[in-house]
Amino acid sequence: NAGVTQTPKFQVLKTGQSMTLQCAQDMNHEYMSWYRQDPGMGLRLIHYSVGAGITDQGEVPNGYNVSRSTTEDFPLRLLSAAPSQTSVYFCASRYTKAGRMNTEAFFGQGTRLTVV
Amino acid sequence: AQSVTQPDIHITVSEGASLELRCNYSYGATPYLFWYVQSPGQGLQLLLKYFSGDTLVQGIKGFEAEFKRSQSSFNLRKPSVHWSDAAEYFCAVGDYNQGGKLIFGQGTELSVKP
Repeated sequence: NAGVTQTPKFQVLKTGQSMTLQCAQDMNHEYMSWYRQDPGMGLRLIHYSVGAGITDQGEVPNGYNVSRSTTEDFPLRLLSAAPSQTSVYFCASRYTKAGRMNTEAFFGQGTRLTVV
Repeated sequence: AQSVTQPDIHITVSEGASLELRCNYSYGATPYLFWYVQSPGQGLQLLLKYFSGDTLVQGIKGFEAEFKRSQSSFNLRKPSVHWSDAAEYFCAVGDYNQGGKLIFGQGTELSVKP
């Protein structure tokens, strides 16, 4: 059971380039989310999805796009990378079927992104 | 707005000493509360969670936390710290009004002296 898998683990981009961070989970979780982690700021929610075909913005969505065509995958797209997007990105999934919210989130290992 | 505050950015304790990491939350309803630990270069691992019932919850690795509604706190404790406990610790509250998103505190980095 792989859990939540993120690729790549490390990435260096030039300003203005675009890329997609991949996230896949094999636990059939409805809820998936992307966070960015910056020193002294904890984890901040970028986008989330409560099921296939449904996405919504978190607190820091600007510069990022997401889609959810399947239950398993939730890719995060950087449209035009900026140095301010240098961060560690975490994908997480949770079981929320039938409105259950009292469930833990499972996290991937993270993607360390540097934009130069 | 919902929020989580971890007042201590960095704490250093001696191995074998007791530990308490503070967490205060702001949330309008009964909160779902979590503590996660992150080792260097790793993802987050759940230590323990509180949803309802007994306000003292036990977690993995010998950690426990106590929910105090009157103080809006959910402090993490361990009676005797091991060198392997050195990591960053995050408190989080689950917001079930917004699809179940987690709101995280800023984190507390724990260093352990031999």
